[in-house]
Amino acid sequence: GAGVSQTPSNKVTEKGKYVELRCDPISGHTALYWYRQSLGQGPEFLIYFQGTGAADDSGLPNDRFFAVRPEGSVSTLKIQRTERGDSAVYLCASSRTADYEQYFGPGTRLTVT
Amino acid sequence: AQRVTQPEKLLSVFKGAPVELKCNYSYSGSPELFWYVQYSRQRLQLLLRHISRESIKGFTADLNKGETSFHLKKPFAQEEDSAMYYCALSLGGSQGNLIFGKGTKLSVKP
Repeated sequence: GAGVSQTPSNKVTEKGKYVELRCDPISGHTALYWYRQSLGQGPEFLIYFQGTGAADDSGLPNDRFFAVRPEGSVSTLKIQRTERGDSAVYLCASSRTADYEQYFGPGTRLTVT
Repeated sequence: AQRVTQPEKLLSVFKGAPVELKCNYSYSGSPELFWYVQYSRQRLQLLLRHISRESIKGFTADLNKGETSFHLKKPFAQEEDSAMYYCALSLGGSQGNLIFGKGTKLSVKP
């Protein structure tokens, strides 16, 4: 079946611009996670949704980052006033519930120039 | 604070040799430990988790709470094992997010 998909696969933006990154989880998965992976590092947790609500947003670095999942399926990660330090691969994962295996998407590579 | 340490950035072995990828964690509770693998041009995928006690693709990992370690082992490395390997920690229950180490790149030479 279809796995987790993320769009776009690559995004280049200028410093100060607003970007949206989209994640389509596996159908029926109630848990959805966003991670950020900088060069040479492991994935770093950003936010976790259980259904429509953010169960844990403790990993969001500051208030420029925001994520939504209005219908409990697709999620959008929003970054305002992008900075060069935001350049990274943004990974999305979903799981049946929080206790189950997380399936990762291919990631969106964000480059802020 | 919870932390996962993978001391080796790169591990290079010859085909047929044993391999051990080290992972140490810092957490005072009862952790759940995982190994994730990323092959070239592929997405991150689960290799194994300690609670299932499985051997996947010949790899095993034993949780040692005394040494706070979860090393990944394989007795005879194959070229197709070349990949990035990440050790990850979950606090469990409703705290489903994973805490990853920085990863070890395994290179198996012919």
